[in-house]
Order: sequence, then C-alpha cells, then structure tokens
Amino acid sequence: GAVVSQHPSRVICKSGTSVKIECRSLDFQATTMFWYRQFPKQSLMLMATSNEGSKATYEQGVEKDKFLINHASLTLSTLTVTSAHPEDSSFYICSARRDRGPHNSPLHFGNGTRLTVT
Amino acid sequence: QKEVEQNSGPLSVPEGAIASLNCTYSDRGSQSFFWYRQYSGKSPELIMSIYSNGDKEDGRFTAQLNKASQYVSLLIRDSQPSDSATYLCAVNEGNTGFQKLVFGTGTRLLVSP
Repeated sequence: GAVVSQHPSRVICKSGTSVKIECRSLDFQATTMFWYRQFPKQSLMLMATSNEGSKATYEQGVEKDKFLINHASLTLSTLTVTSAHPEDSSFYICSARRDRGPHNSPLHFGNGTRLTVT
Repeated sequence: QKEVEQNSGPLSVPEGAIASLNCTYSDRGSQSFFWYRQYSGKSPELIMSIYSNGDKEDGRFTAQLNKASQYVSLLIRDSQPSDSATYLCAVNEGNTGFQKLVFGTGTRLLVSP
C-alpha cells in the first residue's frame, strides 16, 4: 500500500527559530500533497495544498510567508515554519494521494510532526 | 462554509457490542466520503471510503451513505478495546475533484472490556 513518510516526528525549538518538516511519498508519485495542522482536541485543518513545480495554495488565514512550502519533486514536499512562536506549537500532518489513482481515492497521511515552541 | 458535523462523544460501548458513529455534511455536491481512525498522538489512518448511497462492508466495519439526507455513518461490529480511538469523518468538497478533504471534529469511542 501507499506509504507517506514524515520527518521529524517530534521537534522542540526556541521562539524565533525556523523548523523544516519533510513529507515523502515512498512508493508513489504525488504531484499534490496537503499540509494539515491539528491543535489538541480539535480536528485536522487544511493549511495549504502543495503543488509540485508551482506555488502552494494556502487556505484563508494561513500566512504564506510564515509557512513556506516547497514541493521540488514528485515525492517530496517540505513545510518550513519560520520565526516560530509558542502559538505555532501543534501537530502538523502531511498527506498525499497517488498520482495515477482514481480522482476520488483516499489520502494517505504521514505520521505527523509534533512541534513545540518554547 | 462547508461543514462536517460529528458528535464529539465519548461514545462508550462494551466489548462485543456494535458501535454506531454518525456524521452529517453541508455540501450537497460532495461525492466522496471517508472514515479515518486516529489514536491519541498519532496521525489518521483510513478505515473506510464510500462513494455511493447504501452500505459498504469491510470486515467488522460498515459504512452507510445517504446523500439525500447528507448523512454518513460507520458501524463497528464486535467492538474491541483496541477500537478505542477518535473516528474522523471526512468529506471531499463537491467540485474540487480529489483536492480538498473537510474533516469533522471526530467522535471519541471508548470500548470497555
């Protein structure tokens, strides 16, 4: 089955620093990947859609200059949280769908990254 | 604002019972519906997908879809303590093809031994 790898699984950083999170599709190509954020006891909220070779599409209220997305290949998307602050502490989850799958095929999620900003 | 509504629970059932999880959605154009299971601190894992009205069974799980009522449910037969988790209902936005999933807040299921 499809596997999505996300790294790191957990990161603690100081306020003002930047953190990069990687998302890889291990056995399939994914032109499009999605980045979600989940705060405690809340549901997943889509932050942005990452498109290989083009600019990401951000959801309303998500600052594109703060959450930098790079999708440089068909198997890798990165999310960089710039100048992180404690309110950015959250569970960040990437997901991807096989390029050649049906248009309504499900998303497969990475294992998530727990970010704590001190 | 497209919404997916779930009762947050917790839904408590004894081991061996049937757990019934419900979800309603607001976007009439939605075509694809998914149930994900999420353990605490982990990312969601796909349980079921359903695209047509009616029932779809997979092992102990049955998904039910009623587009006219904008309602989708998940039944878990012979519930096990290991089924204790949060179950997320996800619906794709009607005309975006496969692009966007909107998630409900999830229902927490507790299966007691």
